[in-house]
Amino acid sequence: EAAVTQSPRNKVAVTGGKVTLSCNQTNNHNNMYWYRQDTGHGLRLIHYSYGAGSTEKGDIPDGYKASRPSQENFSLILELATPSQTSVYFCASGEGQPYEQYFGPGTRLTVL
Amino acid sequence: GDQVEQSPSALSLHEGTGSALRCNFTTTMRAVQWFRKNSRGSLINLFYLASGTKENGRLKSAFDSKERYSTLHIRDAQLEDSGTYFCAVSNMGYKLTFGTGTSLLVDP
Repeated sequence: EAAVTQSPRNKVAVTGGKVTLSCNQTNNHNNMYWYRQDTGHGLRLIHYSYGAGSTEKGDIPDGYKASRPSQENFSLILELATPSQTSVYFCASGEGQPYEQYFGPGTRLTVL
Repeated sequence: GDQVEQSPSALSLHEGTGSALRCNFTTTMRAVQWFRKNSRGSLINLFYLASGTKENGRLKSAFDSKERYSTLHIRDAQLEDSGTYFCAVSNMGYKLTFGTGTSLLVDP
Protein backbone atom coordinates (compact mmCIF):
# COMPACT_ATOMS: atom_id res chain seq x y z
CA GLU A 1 0.00 0.00 0.00
CA ALA A 2 1.36 3.40 -1.06
CA ALA A 3 2.91 5.26 1.85
CA VAL A 4 3.09 8.67 0.15
CA THR A 5 0.07 9.79 -1.82
CA GLN A 6 -0.61 12.99 -3.71
CA SER A 7 -3.76 14.69 -4.92
CA PRO A 8 -4.76 15.64 -7.45
CA ARG A 9 -2.70 13.57 -9.89
CA ASN A 10 -3.43 15.99 -12.69
CA LYS A 11 -4.51 19.63 -12.54
CA VAL A 12 -5.16 22.33 -15.09
CA ALA A 13 -5.25 25.86 -13.69
CA VAL A 14 -5.59 29.35 -15.12
CA THR A 15 -3.01 32.10 -14.76
CA GLY A 16 -3.62 34.06 -11.57
CA GLY A 17 -5.65 31.32 -9.96
CA LYS A 18 -4.90 29.62 -6.66
CA VAL A 19 -3.70 26.02 -6.69
CA THR A 20 -3.26 23.70 -3.71
CA LEU A 21 -1.41 20.41 -4.06
CA SER A 22 -1.84 17.93 -1.24
CA CYS A 23 0.43 15.21 0.08
CA ASN A 24 -0.24 12.55 2.70
CA GLN A 25 2.26 10.09 4.19
CA THR A 26 1.72 7.08 6.42
CA ASN A 27 5.45 6.51 7.09
CA ASN A 28 5.30 8.57 10.31
CA HIS A 29 8.32 10.52 9.08
CA ASN A 30 9.06 13.91 10.57
CA ASN A 31 10.44 15.36 7.35
CA MET A 32 8.47 16.07 4.20
CA TYR A 33 9.43 17.73 0.94
CA TRP A 34 8.02 19.30 -2.21
CA TYR A 35 9.99 19.14 -5.47
CA ARG A 36 9.32 20.05 -9.05
CA GLN A 37 10.77 18.21 -12.01
CA ASP A 38 11.15 19.73 -15.45
CA THR A 39 12.60 18.26 -18.61
CA GLY A 40 16.38 18.54 -18.55
CA HIS A 41 16.49 19.10 -14.81
CA GLY A 42 16.70 16.87 -11.82
CA LEU A 43 14.20 17.34 -9.04
CA ARG A 44 14.51 20.77 -7.45
CA LEU A 45 13.51 21.41 -3.85
CA ILE A 46 10.77 24.00 -3.30
CA HIS A 47 9.84 23.72 0.38
CA TYR A 48 10.35 21.21 3.15
CA SER A 49 9.24 20.62 6.70
CA TYR A 50 10.75 19.15 9.86
CA GLY A 51 7.41 18.41 11.44
CA ALA A 52 3.89 19.64 12.07
CA GLY A 53 3.75 23.41 12.08
CA SER A 54 7.15 23.90 10.41
CA THR A 55 7.94 24.94 6.86
CA GLU A 56 11.33 25.84 5.40
CA LYS A 57 12.37 27.33 2.07
CA GLY A 58 14.17 25.06 -0.33
CA ASP A 59 16.22 26.04 -3.35
CA ILE A 60 13.43 27.54 -5.48
CA PRO A 61 10.69 28.78 -3.10
CA ASP A 62 9.61 31.91 -5.00
CA GLY A 63 5.95 31.82 -5.98
CA TYR A 64 5.15 28.96 -3.61
CA LYS A 65 3.97 28.60 -0.02
CA ALA A 66 3.73 25.47 2.06
CA SER A 67 1.64 24.28 4.96
CA ARG A 68 2.22 21.37 7.36
CA PRO A 69 -0.88 21.11 9.56
CA SER A 70 -0.09 17.62 10.82
CA GLN A 71 2.58 14.90 10.76
CA GLU A 72 0.80 13.23 7.84
CA ASN A 73 -0.08 16.16 5.60
CA PHE A 74 2.01 18.67 3.68
CA SER A 75 0.49 21.04 1.12
CA LEU A 76 2.04 23.19 -1.58
CA ILE A 77 0.18 26.39 -2.40
CA LEU A 78 0.44 28.53 -5.49
CA GLU A 79 -1.43 31.75 -4.61
CA LEU A 80 -1.13 33.25 -8.09
CA ALA A 81 -0.31 30.52 -10.57
CA THR A 82 1.82 31.37 -13.60
CA PRO A 83 2.57 29.36 -16.77
CA SER A 84 6.20 29.00 -15.62
CA GLN A 85 4.88 26.83 -12.78
CA THR A 86 3.70 24.20 -15.24
CA SER A 87 5.61 21.15 -14.10
CA VAL A 88 5.44 17.78 -12.39
CA TYR A 89 5.44 18.09 -8.62
CA PHE A 90 6.67 15.37 -6.30
CA CYS A 91 6.15 15.08 -2.58
CA ALA A 92 8.43 12.99 -0.38
CA SER A 93 8.89 11.98 3.22
CA GLY A 94 12.18 10.92 4.73
CA GLU A 95 14.23 9.85 7.71
CA GLY A 96 17.49 8.25 8.74
CA GLN A 97 21.17 9.05 8.72
CA PRO A 98 22.42 8.79 6.04
CA TYR A 99 19.27 10.04 4.57
CA GLU A 100 16.62 8.26 2.48
CA GLN A 101 13.49 9.74 0.96
CA TYR A 102 10.29 8.08 -0.23
CA PHE A 103 8.38 9.71 -3.06
CA GLY A 104 4.76 10.05 -4.02
CA PRO A 105 3.52 9.37 -7.57
CA GLY A 106 3.66 13.00 -8.71
CA THR A 107 1.15 15.65 -9.74
CA ARG A 108 1.16 17.04 -13.27
CA LEU A 109 0.19 20.73 -13.15
CA THR A 110 -0.55 22.76 -16.26
CA VAL A 111 -1.09 26.50 -15.91
CA LEU A 112 -2.74 28.06 -18.96
CA GLY B 1 27.01 24.10 -4.05
CA ASP B 2 27.06 20.37 -4.48
CA GLN B 3 27.19 19.22 -8.07
CA VAL B 4 25.82 15.94 -9.35
CA GLU B 5 26.45 14.91 -12.94
CA GLN B 6 24.89 11.96 -14.68
CA SER B 7 26.13 10.30 -17.82
CA PRO B 8 25.15 9.60 -20.45
CA SER B 9 22.31 12.09 -20.75
CA ALA B 10 20.54 9.76 -23.18
CA LEU B 11 20.94 6.08 -24.00
CA SER B 12 19.33 3.70 -26.47
CA LEU B 13 19.50 -0.07 -25.92
CA HIS B 14 18.17 -3.05 -27.82
CA GLU B 15 16.16 -5.52 -25.82
CA GLY B 16 18.38 -8.08 -24.14
CA THR B 17 21.48 -5.90 -24.00
CA GLY B 18 22.88 -3.97 -21.06
CA SER B 19 24.76 -0.88 -20.05
CA ALA B 20 25.89 1.24 -17.11
CA LEU B 21 24.72 4.63 -15.98
CA ARG B 22 27.05 6.81 -13.97
CA CYS B 23 26.57 9.47 -11.31
CA ASN B 24 29.53 11.66 -10.35
CA PHE B 25 29.52 14.14 -7.52
CA THR B 26 31.98 16.83 -6.54
CA THR B 27 32.04 16.38 -2.76
CA THR B 28 31.98 13.42 -0.41
CA MET B 29 28.49 12.06 0.06
CA ARG B 30 27.17 9.54 2.57
CA ALA B 31 24.47 7.90 0.51
CA VAL B 32 22.97 7.66 -2.94
CA GLN B 33 19.49 6.84 -4.21
CA TRP B 34 18.54 5.79 -7.72
CA PHE B 35 15.08 6.38 -9.18
CA ARG B 36 13.29 5.69 -12.45
CA LYS B 37 10.62 8.04 -13.71
CA ASN B 38 8.31 5.90 -15.80
CA SER B 39 6.04 6.68 -18.72
CA ARG B 40 3.20 7.57 -16.35
CA GLY B 41 5.41 10.11 -14.61
CA SER B 42 5.75 8.20 -11.35
CA LEU B 43 9.09 8.14 -9.54
CA ILE B 44 10.09 4.59 -8.67
CA ASN B 45 12.64 4.08 -5.91
CA LEU B 46 15.24 1.60 -7.20
CA PHE B 47 18.12 1.61 -4.73
CA TYR B 48 19.38 3.26 -1.59
CA LEU B 49 23.06 2.70 -0.78
CA ALA B 50 25.28 4.02 1.97
CA SER B 51 28.18 1.83 0.77
CA GLY B 52 29.08 -1.13 -1.43
CA THR B 53 26.75 -2.71 -3.95
CA LYS B 54 23.17 -3.87 -4.15
CA GLU B 55 21.45 -6.04 -6.71
CA ASN B 56 17.79 -6.41 -7.54
CA GLY B 57 16.86 -8.58 -10.47
CA ARG B 58 18.47 -7.19 -13.61
CA LEU B 59 19.67 -4.06 -11.86
CA LYS B 60 22.82 -3.60 -9.84
CA SER B 61 24.14 -0.47 -8.19
CA ALA B 62 27.46 0.45 -6.63
CA PHE B 63 28.46 3.41 -4.49
CA ASP B 64 32.02 4.61 -3.92
CA SER B 65 31.96 7.55 -1.54
CA LYS B 66 35.73 8.03 -1.59
CA GLU B 67 35.95 8.15 -5.40
CA ARG B 68 32.72 10.19 -5.53
CA TYR B 69 30.63 8.16 -7.92
CA SER B 70 27.83 5.68 -8.17
CA THR B 71 26.82 3.38 -11.00
CA LEU B 72 23.62 1.66 -12.04
CA HIS B 73 24.04 -1.41 -14.25
CA ILE B 74 21.16 -2.74 -16.32
CA ARG B 75 21.43 -6.17 -17.89
CA ASP B 76 19.03 -7.95 -20.28
CA ALA B 77 17.16 -4.70 -20.83
CA GLN B 78 13.38 -4.94 -21.34
CA LEU B 79 10.97 -2.50 -22.94
CA GLU B 80 9.52 -1.57 -19.56
CA ASP B 81 12.96 -0.36 -18.40
CA SER B 82 12.53 2.71 -20.60
CA GLY B 83 12.30 5.96 -18.68
CA THR B 84 14.46 8.61 -17.08
CA TYR B 85 16.88 7.47 -14.38
CA PHE B 86 17.89 9.89 -11.63
CA CYS B 87 20.53 9.60 -8.99
CA ALA B 88 20.32 11.68 -5.83
CA VAL B 89 22.96 12.03 -3.14
CA SER B 90 22.84 13.02 0.49
CA ASN B 91 25.43 14.10 3.02
CA MET B 92 25.00 14.95 6.68
CA GLY B 93 21.80 16.90 6.37
CA TYR B 94 18.30 16.16 5.23
CA LYS B 95 18.70 17.33 1.68
CA LEU B 96 18.93 15.27 -1.48
CA THR B 97 20.77 16.70 -4.47
CA PHE B 98 19.58 15.29 -7.77
CA GLY B 99 21.38 14.74 -11.04
CA THR B 100 19.77 15.83 -14.29
CA GLY B 101 18.90 12.30 -15.31
CA THR B 102 19.64 9.73 -18.02
CA SER B 103 16.90 9.14 -20.55
CA LEU B 104 16.85 5.44 -21.49
CA LEU B 105 14.98 4.04 -24.47
CA VAL B 106 14.82 0.27 -24.91
CA ASP B 107 13.67 -0.83 -28.34
CA PRO B 108 12.80 -4.27 -29.73
